[in-house]
Amino acid sequence: LAKTTQPISMDSYEGQEVNITCSHNNIATNDYITWYQQFPSQGPRFIIQGYKTKVTNEVASLFIPADRKSSTLSLPRVSLSDTAVYYCLVGATDKLIFGTGTRLQVFP
Amino acid sequence: GAGVSQSPSNKVTEKGKDVELRCDPISGHTALYWYRQSLGQGLEFLIYFQGNSAPDKSGLPSDRFSAERTGGSVSTLTIQRTQQEDSAVYLCASSLEGTSGDTQYFGPGTRLTVL
Repeated sequence: LAKTTQPISMDSYEGQEVNITCSHNNIATNDYITWYQQFPSQGPRFIIQGYKTKVTNEVASLFIPADRKSSTLSLPRVSLSDTAVYYCLVGATDKLIFGTGTRLQVFP
Repeated sequence: GAGVSQSPSNKVTEKGKDVELRCDPISGHTALYWYRQSLGQGLEFLIYFQGNSAPDKSGLPSDRFSAERTGGSVSTLTIQRTQQEDSAVYLCASSLEGTSGDTQYFGPGTRLTVL
């Protein structure tokens, strides 16, 4: 089972770029890397997913090095509404492990 | 429906009582997942359904917990003889096929409080 390790918390200011790195040394060949965002009292919300190299959508970018043992979620120009917990998820379908997540606090 | 729905949104019960939590997945989604999230903690995987079958139930915390899914749609998570440590938010998610790389869509959760 691929276990993930993320920083417990990060602080940023509005307008800055935030990069959150997740380590997953035991990632399996067929595992995808998925990031979720969770606000208080809500279920997690899908942000982005990738397998290798770089993926970009309207919300974020995901950078995955060739060895796939880590991944970095990049949030461009964060706003106060990006304050949330961000989870990195790696695993097979029937054994999904969410780590403790990274609590991002964005200040004005 | 438009998204995953769960009921009730809040449940307060007394220690020793049984509770039943319901999840309605997105229409057409074959995979369904249950998670538990204690206050200030990450998500704990409980069980996964592919259709009506649960290939792996090892995530369930104890034999007081059971889950079923009927008609490949609605799922219920039952907790018998509830204990105070069962207090948590129970989250349900569904995905289209349940394959690796499939996006999970989460419901709003059921907040269970055991007094």
